[in-house]
Amino acid sequence: ETGVTQSPTHLIKTRGQQVTLRCSSQSGHNTVSWYQQALGQGPQFIFQYYREEENGRGNFPPRFSGLQFPNYSSELNVNALELDDSALYLCASSSGQDVSPLHFGNGTRLTVT
Amino acid sequence: RKEVEQDPGPFNVPEGATVAFNCTYSNSASQSFFWYRQDCRKEPKLLMSVYSSGNEDGRFTAQLNRASQYISLLIRDSKLSDSATYLCVVNEAGNQFYFGTGTSLTVIP
Repeated sequence: ETGVTQSPTHLIKTRGQQVTLRCSSQSGHNTVSWYQQALGQGPQFIFQYYREEENGRGNFPPRFSGLQFPNYSSELNVNALELDDSALYLCASSSGQDVSPLHFGNGTRLTVT
Repeated sequence: RKEVEQDPGPFNVPEGATVAFNCTYSNSASQSFFWYRQDCRKEPKLLMSVYSSGNEDGRFTAQLNRASQYISLLIRDSKLSDSATYLCVVNEAGNQFYFGTGTSLTVIP
């Protein structure tokens, strides 16, 4: 069974730039969620994708956008980066059933300077 | 009001001690509940699901009280390797998961 993989592991960008983060879901999982975790905080829900459609969104501005592909892999795009976007970005996949837990990738640590 | 609230700690306990963490959630329609463990600068990993009847996995016991909307985690005979941040997670309708801020545990030799 292949777990959730994310790339890149670390990234440094400057304010105003755009970034794309990638995630491959665990085999057999059709639902992918993205979370932002700032230092000392719990993960904050950004959005979720199910069968290539956005299926829920947290309190994040439109410059945070995403995609899910037919193989259930996903991208998170952030435009016009701000210093406060510096965080650990976590991708999690699940089977989509209500009692199914999330399985996380290793995360991408983004630093915006 | 936050969907999930936890005491951030830190909890510093000696090896062998019993420690308990509590978590409250705001949405009475929440459907499923979990405890995750997160080591420093790593991703969260599922520790255990929390069932209505309560459940145990070795030294770890989880309880759910739907009437009071709280979840607990009890760790018995603490080990040095239990040092981590413990995240309470609630799944609301629509399969959206909400995380607490985490409770930091350090087990001291």
